[in-house]
Amino acid sequence: SQTIHQWPATLVQPVGSPLSLECTVEGTSNPNLYWYRQAAGRGLQLLFYSVGIGQISSEVPQNLSASRPQDRQFILSSKKLLLSDSGFYLCAWSGGQLSTGELFFGEGSRLTVL
Amino acid sequence: KNQVEQSPQSLIILEGKNCTLQCNYTVSPFSNLRWYKQDTGRGPVSLTIMTFSENTKSNGRYTATLDADTKQSSLHITASQLSDSASYICVVSPITGGFKTIFGAGTRLFVKA
Repeated sequence: SQTIHQWPATLVQPVGSPLSLECTVEGTSNPNLYWYRQAAGRGLQLLFYSVGIGQISSEVPQNLSASRPQDRQFILSSKKLLLSDSGFYLCAWSGGQLSTGELFFGEGSRLTVL
Repeated sequence: KNQVEQSPQSLIILEGKNCTLQCNYTVSPFSNLRWYKQDTGRGPVSLTIMTFSENTKSNGRYTATLDADTKQSSLHITASQLSDSASYICVVSPITGGFKTIFGAGTRLFVKA
């Protein structure tokens, strides 16, 4: 069966520090991978998606970047965190047709920037 | 602009009671509509998925309905349990691609003993 792991679960970082959130998927190959951010009382906002190694698309301009160094590994990074980067970050994967593929989410990473 | 609106924003019910959550969307044409359950501090988990041609889909005590004409969906929870306390998110994927999936803000359900 397929599983998705995301870490760290909780992170408290000072403004201006770097960030690295990691996500790995097991039990499937060539998944579509996503990074979402969830603000309180708001719907999930898609940050990045990837259809393959090294292929990253960004939905919104921001202080973050993403990389996919391996087929089942997706990393969310920042060189210098801002207060506005605080939030709940979710990694997800889907397979099959892009328009019908169900999204499977990781457990999430709570980032607090102080 | 494609949007997904959910109501109510929050809801408190007694254990054992039924409740219905609403979702209105403007995404058209759409590929599928899903309901997710998200426990506090956890990732969302899929409850039901319906294509535009389906009217209802059940998953245990959860029943989702879809009216493609009025662009409305509802999630009915029967005989609520304390473990049903969570956020319920309506998610609509347009036919143009899963990357354009739109998430509602969710309904926060509290089930009290």
